[in-house]
Amino acid sequence: ILNVEQSPQSLHVQEGDSTNFTCSFPSSNFYALHWYRWETAKSPEALFVMTLNGDEKKKGRISATLNTKEGYSYLYIKGSQPEDSATYLCAFSSGYSTLTFGKGTMLLVSP
Amino acid sequence: DGGITQSPKYLFRKEGQNVTLSCEQNLNHDAMYWYRQDPGQGLRLIYYSQIVNDFQKGDIAEGYSVSREKKESFPLTVTSAQKNPTAFYLCASSPTGQRGGNQPQHFGDGTRLSIL
Repeated sequence: ILNVEQSPQSLHVQEGDSTNFTCSFPSSNFYALHWYRWETAKSPEALFVMTLNGDEKKKGRISATLNTKEGYSYLYIKGSQPEDSATYLCAFSSGYSTLTFGKGTMLLVSP
Repeated sequence: DGGITQSPKYLFRKEGQNVTLSCEQNLNHDAMYWYRQDPGQGLRLIYYSQIVNDFQKGDIAEGYSVSREKKESFPLTVTSAQKNPTAFYLCASSPTGQRGGNQPQHFGDGTRLSIL
């Protein structure tokens, strides 16, 4: 069974703070690393799919980096806003369409 | 609008009863998935289908069954053999089955199943 770890488990920041979370995954048989945002009472929404070592992706104030050799990815949020409050999930693919998910990082941004 | 529709939103099951959760997509995706979420756990894969008339067991398939007779539909039956069915169930789809791990999955809003 593949092990995908996310840290921290939860995070509480003030509006305007920048923050980051970590996703650790197996460095062997790497194919892709996914990040999803899951807001309360909504469905998970894809943020990024990353495939290349050293890849960096950005969407507004959110960006992600990937290190496949050491098996980790960072998600950064610059200037957090209350609407960024959500659970952020990462998921690992070894090539097939199935994903192995981490337990998520729950972010709460207070005004 | 294209998307995934799960129904019902809430479902209650009596002891010994089978219940079926519906999942329909109009995204023309080949692959569909069922996940289960329990408190403090990540999403765990129950079953998946990469193409019509074919499906495979995921990590926690015991006590569940599925069918994929149409591309748009992937219903999940929670049988009486599933001893701890209380959970939140999510359905997802992605464009391609084989080697599709670099494609984002699209999710429904989920069904919360509880035992009476």
